[in-house]
Amino acid sequence: GESVGLHLPTLSVQEGDNSIINCAYSNSASDYFIWYKQESGKGPQFIIDIRSNMDKRQGQRVTVLLNKTVKHLSLQIAATQPGDSAVYFCADIYNFNKFYFGSGTKLNVKP
Amino acid sequence: DVKVTQSSRYLVKRTGEKVFLECVQDMDHENMFWYRQDPGLGLRLIYFSYDVKMKEKGDIPEGYSVSREKKERFSLILESASTNQTSMYLCASQRGTDTQYFGPGTRLTVL
Repeated sequence: GESVGLHLPTLSVQEGDNSIINCAYSNSASDYFIWYKQESGKGPQFIIDIRSNMDKRQGQRVTVLLNKTVKHLSLQIAATQPGDSAVYFCADIYNFNKFYFGSGTKLNVKP
Repeated sequence: DVKVTQSSRYLVKRTGEKVFLECVQDMDHENMFWYRQDPGLGLRLIYFSYDVKMKEKGDIPEGYSVSREKKERFSLILESASTNQTSMYLCASQRGTDTQYFGPGTRLTVL
């Protein structure tokens, strides 16, 4: 889903702590979900994806959890580093080619 | 690595000018997309293309047109730029039902 507004939600964490970024979606028929990271002045970069028939997927320092019952997706970043500071947004994909993007959460990592 | 490039990182144009934004991908992807990204609104799809010379309207096509004469190149055209078209424009490409890969973006300011 999307949150419409002028300001992005912001999450501030201390370097070394774990971060959890959340996303709600509305389409119960979505095929899969993607998390993107967008650094200032750059285009979005793929981080990790998860199919709708899974509830958890792990990557390097990142874990995505999918709760289809409440249509909720989360991205967990372990041992957050200054280089993780960025805007993170989710996309839910329907019919494998219709992408719906959330507006994002800004992650600030404090040294 | 997939590479999606956009012709300009920053562009300043005047109201009424015709503006061309170019996007090139080097991975022989069939699908290409143009989005605009505005604070708090997420990515909104302007146009997309599934093949050469083929185009489909996205969610906000008004005021824009596109051209895809070659598989690797997808152009976004603002026929007569207006101040409400000041935005970040992102191009993406996709192979089949794979994830979308984004270019670095063009920040367009219309004065």
